[in-house]
Amino acid sequence: QITLKESGPTLVKPTQTLTLTCTFSGFSLSTSGVGVGWIRQPPGKALEWLALIYWDDDKRYSPSLKSRLTITKDTSKNQVVLTMTNMDPVDTATYYCAHRQKWYPFDYWGQGTLVTVSS
Amino acid sequence: DIQMTQSPSTLSASVGDRVTITCRASQSISSWLAWYQQKPGKAPKLLIYKASSLESGVPSRFSGSGSGTEFTLTISSLQPDDFATYYCQQSGTFGQGTKVEIK
Repeated sequence: QITLKESGPTLVKPTQTLTLTCTFSGFSLSTSGVGVGWIRQPPGKALEWLALIYWDDDKRYSPSLKSRLTITKDTSKNQVVLTMTNMDPVDTATYYCAHRQKWYPFDYWGQGTLVTVSS
Repeated sequence: DIQMTQSPSTLSASVGDRVTITCRASQSISSWLAWYQQKPGKAPKLLIYKASSLESGVPSRFSGSGSGTEFTLTISSLQPDDFATYYCQQSGTFGQGTKVEIK
């Protein structure tokens, strides 16, 4: 049974760096083809894909946010970490992590974590 | 970047109606399209992958079609549990969503 859960701060101040951790079970990020991605959703708005990391450490980023994002994995801890620099109130959103296989969409999602950016 | 455009943004329908949602890509994406259902306060749920393949456990009243730049998600007979927002996705891009609400 695959599960994912996001953790991190619920409130960050403008200009600060956000660090979110996705802790998962039921699969390994050392298995060929496996990936974990991050997606966010501002309140009342659409989904936005942020970043993705594969078993072979191949990393992909949203072109519009690439300069602010870093995604890493810790295979031994079954964790994926996303950092986003220079946070702004427009970055207020629910942040999800999700599992995928290469050439296949996100099939398992975490419950999401709401991050508010405010001074 | 490939842009994904969904229509309509909102759709009002009744239980038992046949519902169709369209997603258009700004350039050809072959059949690399997925559809998700999202209910308020919940994570999205995968319904369809590779444009027309039904994810395991998803009711057969959901179907997807299309290739290239135009795709559709069809619900053959709308059920009470189907009132939700639907998103298409191609790789790193989601559509803006279609809310299916009760008429």
